[in-house]
Amino acid sequence: GAVVSQHPSRVICKSGTSVKIECRSLDFQATTMFWYRQFPKQSLMLMATSNEGSKATYEQGVEKDKFLINHASLTLSTLTVTSAHPEDSSFYICSALPPGGYTFGSGTRLTVV
Amino acid sequence: GESVGLHLPTLSVQEGDNSIINCAYSNSASDYFIWYKQESGKGPQFIIDIRSNMDKRQGQRVTVLLNKTVKHLSLQIAATQPGDSAVYFCAENRSGGYQKVTFGIGTKLQVIP
Repeated sequence: GAVVSQHPSRVICKSGTSVKIECRSLDFQATTMFWYRQFPKQSLMLMATSNEGSKATYEQGVEKDKFLINHASLTLSTLTVTSAHPEDSSFYICSALPPGGYTFGSGTRLTVV
Repeated sequence: GESVGLHLPTLSVQEGDNSIINCAYSNSASDYFIWYKQESGKGPQFIIDIRSNMDKRQGQRVTVLLNKTVKHLSLQIAATQPGDSAVYFCAENRSGGYQKVTFGIGTKLQVIP
């Protein structure tokens, strides 16, 4: 089946630095990808919809200047957490919609210290 | 409104018994529903889906029931196994507009050997 690859799986960064997370569709083209955030013991919350070649669509309450999304090709979307703070520590997950149905990446555990 | 996860209810089931996980969705306009399984530290994994023109769909050891009248969805797992231990999320999709998926609260399934 279709595979969405997410990298890195874990990252620890210092407060104030920026972190980039990559989401790739390995065997299909994805004009749209989705970025979710999940805090411990909670559900996945949609942060933004990434659109190839155009601006991302952010959900209410998500700071677009803090969570920069770039979808420059049909197989790659990136999420950059800028000026990260401890409260940004979370599990970030991307997804895409190949013909067979929504497929999720394996997630990125971000810890800001 | 959106379904928001604030805590995870837990269901404990004896190995070999059947499990029933319930979910209430929020938007009567939703017409596509999906159940996902999420193991610790991993992204969601597709289990089964159902469209609003159906009220029941069966897969291998799993059955999804949809009651549109009361906006209720359930996932039945037959002969529950230790490998079924995970968090289960229902998700809804609203056709029209862009294709975002909204996740429910989630239920943690613990299988007792």
